[in-house]
Amino acid sequence: DAGVTQSPTHLIKTRGQHVTLRCSPISGHKSVSWYQQVLGQGPQFIFQYYEKEERGRGNFPDRFSARQFPNYSSELNVNALLLGDSALYLCASSLAPGAQYGYTFGSGTRLTVV
Amino acid sequence: EDKVVQSPLSLVVHEGDTVTLNCSYEVTNFRSLLWYKQEKKAPTFLFMLTSSGIEKKSGRLSSILDKKELSSILNITATQTGDSAIYLCAVLNSGGSNYKLTFGKGTLLTVNP
Repeated sequence: DAGVTQSPTHLIKTRGQHVTLRCSPISGHKSVSWYQQVLGQGPQFIFQYYEKEERGRGNFPDRFSARQFPNYSSELNVNALLLGDSALYLCASSLAPGAQYGYTFGSGTRLTVV
Repeated sequence: EDKVVQSPLSLVVHEGDTVTLNCSYEVTNFRSLLWYKQEKKAPTFLFMLTSSGIEKKSGRLSSILDKKELSSILNITATQTGDSAIYLCAVLNSGGSNYKLTFGKGTLLTVNP
């Protein structure tokens, strides 16, 4: 039974470049959320998608965008990378938005911007 | 702005000790409070608390929510070295049909043999 899978696991990019991170939710889960975790901090909410529609957006600049595909997998895109974008990017999957469904996290993508 | 504060930020104990981790929150439209354990990368789910005063237990771990005081505690009894991890508290709140988790900074627990 596959959990939440994220790819790649590690990534090194140069300032100004663009990056795409990918997430496949647990089978049957229709909601995907993205979180950024900077070293020494708790995860911070970036986006939530449900049934391919954006359902929430955190306090991140427009350089961050995301989408969800018909198979419920999701991509997070970050343009014009800054050093401060270096972080662990976590994807969480749930049956639907809301407390009763629970949120399962993937192992994340470690992004380093140099 | 939604806020979750955890204390202490770090804690070092010996095997067998009992620890209490604290979480307080100020959010709009509270739905539930969740505790996660993060060892390397993926936070793993421990508890979800929705009702005040009802203790949830799983082995040596237990947690309770106080909605009047806007806080929760996570207790770990008879700690083991395998309990060493970051413990994250998160609050699920909503705005219309949108939901998000707001996390605290976490408590780094180190259990020494």
